[in-house]
Amino acid sequence: AQSVTQPDIHITVSEGASLELRCNYSYGATPYLFWYVQSPGQGLQLLLKYFSGDTLVQGIKGFEAEFKRSQSSFNLRKPSVHWSDAAEYFCAVAQEYGNKLVFGAGTILRVKS
Amino acid sequence: GAVVSQHPSWVICKSGTSVKIECRSLDFQATTMFWYRQFPKQSLMLMATSNEGSKATYEQGVEKDKFLINHASLTLSTLTVTSAHPEDSSFYICSASSGAGSPLHFGNGTRLTVT
Repeated sequence: AQSVTQPDIHITVSEGASLELRCNYSYGATPYLFWYVQSPGQGLQLLLKYFSGDTLVQGIKGFEAEFKRSQSSFNLRKPSVHWSDAAEYFCAVAQEYGNKLVFGAGTILRVKS
Repeated sequence: GAVVSQHPSWVICKSGTSVKIECRSLDFQATTMFWYRQFPKQSLMLMATSNEGSKATYEQGVEKDKFLINHASLTLSTLTVTSAHPEDSSFYICSASSGAGSPLHFGNGTRLTVT
């Protein structure tokens, strides 16, 4: 069965600092990996996705993520965080594109000025 | 881009009543829809998968008689919470896809509060 682990429940960074959110997955085959962002009381917005090819994927809002098969990781990064990035971030895995997602527990990002 | 409209965005109901949540795909044919539930400060848990014209497939532990899912057309799926109780209070989110290999699009969610 697929599973996703986001080890950090909360992360606080200063505005302008770099950010890395960790995600580890468990899946036997090549996974479809996603990062979503959710603002309070809102739905989910897709930041980026990985299916195959270049292991460093670029997303919206200046985010990127790197797929590392050897570590079963798909960490999300941003070089300089903005106050508007404060939200909850979910890593997710699917067996195929368009199929059901298994989500991690989420990481709440706080940005301090 | 593709849009999924979920309605209502929030609802308050009394214990014992039923509530219907609609999920519509506005500009594509959603052959598959997924319903998720998110309790406060928790992740999204898949409740069920529905394919147009077929019975929904429920995840383990989800009561199919309590959470009725209907996917009668390619643009509409509904989730009805029957005989709602306070423990059903949660954030319900739908997502829709035009099939395997196509992107998933999420609705903005419905906040259900049962008093």
